[in-house]
Amino acid sequence: SAVISQKPSRDICQRGTSLTIQCQVDSQVTMMFWYRQQPGQSLTLIATANQGSEATYESGFVIDKFPISRPNLTFSTLTVSNMSPEDSSIYLCSVRTGGLTQYFGPGTRLLVL
Amino acid sequence: KQEVTQIPAALSVPEGENLVLNCSFTDSAIYNLQWFRQDPGKGLTSLLLIQSSQREQTSGRLNASLDKSSGRSTLYIAASQPGDSATYLCAVVDNNAGNMLTFGGGTRLMVKP
Repeated sequence: SAVISQKPSRDICQRGTSLTIQCQVDSQVTMMFWYRQQPGQSLTLIATANQGSEATYESGFVIDKFPISRPNLTFSTLTVSNMSPEDSSIYLCSVRTGGLTQYFGPGTRLLVL
Repeated sequence: KQEVTQIPAALSVPEGENLVLNCSFTDSAIYNLQWFRQDPGKGLTSLLLIQSSQREQTSGRLNASLDKSSGRSTLYIAASQPGDSATYLCAVVDNNAGNMLTFGGGTRLMVKP
């Protein structure tokens, strides 16, 4: 299994600012992912965070808006840039282990005013 | 494009009932299917992972089945308890979708004491 922590757990931000979310895993994992859960919705994959290379973004998500870092096999950050109220969501970090089970962090609840 | 549907969207049952949550997916070429639980304001907890070659998985009072040819999975919860109240999500990884989990909309379960 994998234990994932995220910081911050929640934040309230002003329009136009940026927020960086940190994800820490208790073991080395190859595959890390960032998901968004908008209010009342299910989860949508933003990007796959690749160690040592650029993140791979899903359709509808771009690097300028959601830059991602993956400096090592246990850590990643997601930045939500130039925020608007539409970015208010829960952002979840996720990892997949060798057993193929996918684990999720507790999420970061973001409210943009 | 894979689409995952969960029925019902919400369910309220008295304590002690056995219940079935349904998940259907449009593309049967899946790599695996995973059931998660999400408590209000929390992240996701992995419940069961079923590989495409498997028919079912069991963990305690939970049993998940997979019929890949018909594009269906069910999560059976035996002797439900108030602590089972949560949103249950199913998600699939497609053979051709790389790493992406496609989520259903979830079933919001309330077990009344």
